[in-house]
Amino acid sequence: SYVLTQPPSVSVAPGQTARITCGGNNIGSKSVHWYQQKPGQAPVLVVYDDSDRPSGIPERFSGSNSGNTATLTISRVEAGDEADYYCQVWDSSSDHPEFGGGTKLTVL
Amino acid sequence: EVQLVESGGGLVKPGGSLRLSCAASGFTFSNAWMSWVRQAPGKGLEWVGRIKSKTDGGTTDYAAPVKGRFTISRDDSKNTLYLQMNSLKTEDTAVYYCTTVSALMVRGVLSYGMDVWGQGTTVTVSS
Repeated sequence: SYVLTQPPSVSVAPGQTARITCGGNNIGSKSVHWYQQKPGQAPVLVVYDDSDRPSGIPERFSGSNSGNTATLTISRVEAGDEADYYCQVWDSSSDHPEFGGGTKLTVL
Repeated sequence: EVQLVESGGGLVKPGGSLRLSCAASGFTFSNAWMSWVRQAPGKGLEWVGRIKSKTDGGTTDYAAPVKGRFTISRDDSKNTLYLQMNSLKTEDTAVYYCTTVSALMVRGVLSYGMDVWGQGTTVTVSS
């Protein structure tokens, strides 16, 4: 199966920029989606197709994808952004979607 | 407003069965592909399976750990998705979420994402 690798944790001060990476073999050739999951809540789609935002998601959330790394960037981080973030792609070899292991974003 | 509401979770003994339901509203359920995703305590997200719309064949697909034990079905007349879970194991203990699925070709690549999620229902398998 296709393996997606995320750092377990990322810390950032309020107002700074957080970058959460998602590594995978030639992931730049895939469409990457990002989900935010706050404690005790269901996941929410925050970025789809590498860099598009669903309606209602702030412009502070953006994404990029190239080579072997996709990145979720959160600008001007707020305390309310503290959450777990998961990347996800379609694995054509298994014909199933795959999730990364998740990254816990801590706002200092 | 698009809404998904799961129900049916609970405590069940190993080897037992349970059926989860997901009531959908705010969109044309019969046209939607739907999936189940689970999350074991303190762990990440794990895809369980998917069902296509009847117009797209209504077929199902499952993750290896649940194949042959879990069955996804739908009742479009009731706007409801189901997950029948048999031969449950302790490792099936998790919060189970139903989701809508968006699957389409984008820039020549298959984009497969889960747009909307329910609040989840908890399944505990323990003796």
